[in-house]
Amino acid sequence: EAEVAQSPRYKITEKSQAVAFWCDPISGHATLYWYRQILGQGPELLVQFQDESVVDDSQLPKDRFSAERLKGVDSTLKIQPAELGDSAMYLCASSRLAGTYEQYFGPGTRLTVT
Amino acid sequence: AQSVTQLGSHVSVSEGALVLLRCNYSSSVPPYLFWYVQYPNQGLQLLLKYTSAATLVKGINGFEAEFKKSETSFHLTKPSAHMSDAAEYFCAVSGNNDMRFGAGTRLTVKP
Repeated sequence: EAEVAQSPRYKITEKSQAVAFWCDPISGHATLYWYRQILGQGPELLVQFQDESVVDDSQLPKDRFSAERLKGVDSTLKIQPAELGDSAMYLCASSRLAGTYEQYFGPGTRLTVT
Repeated sequence: AQSVTQLGSHVSVSEGALVLLRCNYSSSVPPYLFWYVQYPNQGLQLLLKYTSAATLVKGINGFEAEFKKSETSFHLTKPSAHMSDAAEYFCAVSGNNDMRFGAGTRLTVKP
């Protein structure tokens, strides 16, 4: 069964350092999502891609966060510089198309900023 | 705009007892509704989805949910809880090109 891949699974970094997360969606899925999940809460959308284009990044803190999906396949989310409040689970999901199609999630990257 | 409210951040049941997790939604368009489960330090796994084909939806692991438009609800049930059901459960709504998640309900199963 096809799965969404993410790496690394865990990342510990010091504040002010740069971190990057990688996601490989299910083959053929045009839509890719990055979510942030703070402990004890539901996922919150950071950015949504349709193929290589950003369709929603309204909740992405653009002063420190960036995301790209250059060839419309895998994607990278970067934080520079990291802050203590960025400690969270970062989840990647994909779906065949946007809208009402169910999303399939990767295992996530647990980020701890010290 | 869509939103979901999950009633009860924590639910505790005994093994073999009925599981009932509550979800109410708000949507300006006909909603698509989902339940996901999350185990510690893992991603979300789809349990079931409502897409207007039938109001009673059966999912994996013996879970089912019933869509009630008059009550704007989509509660998740399982007749008999198993220890392996202990996890965090999220209700989600989609309808305008995005998906919104509830805050989650942590299910504890006591032996």
